[in-house]
Amino acid sequence: AQSVTQLGSHVSVSEGALVLLRCNYSSSVPPYLFWYVQYPNQGLQLLLKYTTGATLVKGINGFEAEFKKSETSFHLTKPSAHMSDAAEYFCAVSDDSGYALNFGKGTSLLVTP
Amino acid sequence: EPEVTQTPSHQVTQMGQEVILRCVPISNHLYFYWYRQILGQKVEFLVSFYNNEISEKSEIFDDQFSVERPDGSNFTLKIRSTKLEDSAMYFCASSHGTSGATGELFFGEGSRLTVL
Repeated sequence: AQSVTQLGSHVSVSEGALVLLRCNYSSSVPPYLFWYVQYPNQGLQLLLKYTTGATLVKGINGFEAEFKKSETSFHLTKPSAHMSDAAEYFCAVSDDSGYALNFGKGTSLLVTP
Repeated sequence: EPEVTQTPSHQVTQMGQEVILRCVPISNHLYFYWYRQILGQKVEFLVSFYNNEISEKSEIFDDQFSVERPDGSNFTLKIRSTKLEDSAMYFCASSHGTSGATGELFFGEGSRLTVL
């Protein structure tokens, strides 16, 4: 079964600093990979996705992620953190059937002034 | 902008009671989902629903759980006899295509269930 592992349950960065949230996947087939964000008291929102094609994908709010098959990774980055980026970030992979998403445990991003 | 709405936002119930969580998916979406997130744990898939039937369910979705789309707009999750371990945030989601095809699930804000 497809799964993802997020390294680091909490990440703290200074405003303006690089954001790097790590995600590694395990999949027996070419994976479909996603990053979702959850702001306080809100539902999950799709940030970006990789299905096929270009391995560097750009999402909303200046985030991007690169699919690296050799490293089985799909890390999320943003060059310059903003206070409003503070949220919970979830990496996910589509399962075999295509009906379900398997989420990682999430990484809580804290942005300090 | 269309959104998925869930009610109630928070429900407190006694162990053994039945609970119904309600969701109104985005109107032109065809696939509907329930996920849950126990405090401090990952978001877990419960069930997907398409064409008025369950398309996939997880091990969590046992006989105590059921889903229904009673009137073409609402999508409900029923827990027949709640247990303490059912306490969680329950998220409804909908999509136009399968998650495998697009991954663009639209989630509601969640219904927090507390079982005492």
